[in-house]
Amino acid sequence: GNSVTQMEGPVTLSEEAFLTINCTYTATGYPSLFWYVQYPGEGLQLLLKATKADDKGSNKGFEATYRKETTSFHLEKGSVQVSDSAVYFCALRGRGSTLGRLYFGRGTQLTVWP
Amino acid sequence: DAGVTQSPTHLIKTRGQQVTLRCSPKSGHDTVSWYQQALGQGPQFIFQYYEEEERQRGNFPDRFSGHQFPNYSSELNVNALLLGDSALYLCASSLEQGTVYGYTFGSGTRLTVV
Repeated sequence: GNSVTQMEGPVTLSEEAFLTINCTYTATGYPSLFWYVQYPGEGLQLLLKATKADDKGSNKGFEATYRKETTSFHLEKGSVQVSDSAVYFCALRGRGSTLGRLYFGRGTQLTVWP
Repeated sequence: DAGVTQSPTHLIKTRGQQVTLRCSPKSGHDTVSWYQQALGQGPQFIFQYYEEEERQRGNFPDRFSGHQFPNYSSELNVNALLLGDSALYLCASSLEQGTVYGYTFGSGTRLTVV
């Protein structure tokens, strides 16, 4: 079946530090992959996505590359800011009978200190 | 352009009661999906409605039911509430089951069962 395993948090960094949040997946075929961000008291916002192997999604300085060989989609940012503090979710979109359904990881809480 | 609107934002119910949550999709979207997000967990898929029919269902009991109206808005109903139903309920809207342009999430309804 489909599932997402995400690096457990919380992650605490100083401003301008490098960020990596690991995400691996299990799926039938080649799913689309996503990173969502959730700020306190809010719903989920799409951060970036990739729809096929070797695609790189990027947005607001965040990047993630779809690695078929390692079934991974790790999130990276070269220099984090206090405003990046949030919960980050890795997700995949199913195919076939589960088309249109999102499978989420457990989320990683990121706190950035000034 | 209004995004996804959910109501109410917060709700407190007693065990055994029934609850109805509402969702208005983003303008132009025809598909509504519901997710349950327990505290500290990733969202779990409940079901998806497209063309007023339930197209997919996650691993949730029959106490969870839904409906989609001709204007694409949707309701989530939960009967015989349990303490374990306490969670943030997220609605996500999309075009054509999310296969085209992705999903837009609402800010959620926080349900507390006491």
